[in-house]
Amino acid sequence: KQEVTQIPAALSVPEGENLVLNCSFTDSAIYNLQWFRQDPGKGLTSLLLIQSSQREQTSGRLNASLDKSSGRSTLYIAASQPGDSATYLCAVCPTGNQFYFGTGTSLTVIP
Amino acid sequence: NAGVTQTPKFQVLKTGQSMTLQCAQDMNHEYMSWYRQDPGMGLRLIHYSVGAGITDQGEVPNGYNVSRSTTEDFPLRLLSAAPSQTSVYFCASSPTTWGGGQETQYFGPGTRLLVL
Repeated sequence: KQEVTQIPAALSVPEGENLVLNCSFTDSAIYNLQWFRQDPGKGLTSLLLIQSSQREQTSGRLNASLDKSSGRSTLYIAASQPGDSATYLCAVCPTGNQFYFGTGTSLTVIP
Repeated sequence: NAGVTQTPKFQVLKTGQSMTLQCAQDMNHEYMSWYRQDPGMGLRLIHYSVGAGITDQGEVPNGYNVSRSTTEDFPLRLLSAAPSQTSVYFCASSPTTWGGGQETQYFGPGTRLLVL
């Protein structure tokens, strides 16, 4: 069974800092990996999706990388803002029909 | 488009009661799924459907039933609620099944369920 781990569980940074969130998974045979954002009491919003053949994806201040061989992905957030405060979840899709989620990193950006 | 909608937003049940959590999407998506989110556990897949009339079990299917009679709707039934089913339930959809495609999942706002 695929296990997904996210470290750290919580992170607090001052506004303007660049930061990296980590995601690791145990089985490198995946179709894709996706990063989500979840605000308190809300559903999940997709941020970036990386196909298994890709190494990274970028959207605005966000950059996600994927290293299948080592079972790792990182989400890089540049010039953090208070509005970035949320929980960030990564999920891997190994079979084409199922997602396995990590437990998330709770990010607080201090003004 | 309303996207993915879920009702109710919050529900309290007594042990042994049954109920149905509703999920609907207006994007003509083939793939729909149900997750539960528990503290420290992340989201876990309960059931999913790759099209009308086709459903399959996910990681934690026990105690839940689903059916998919239309493309738009994917209700989740709790047959006999137990305190262990206290959780936040999310429904999600995507345009097609995965298998290496470019698809992303769209999530509903969730249903908070408390079983006493």
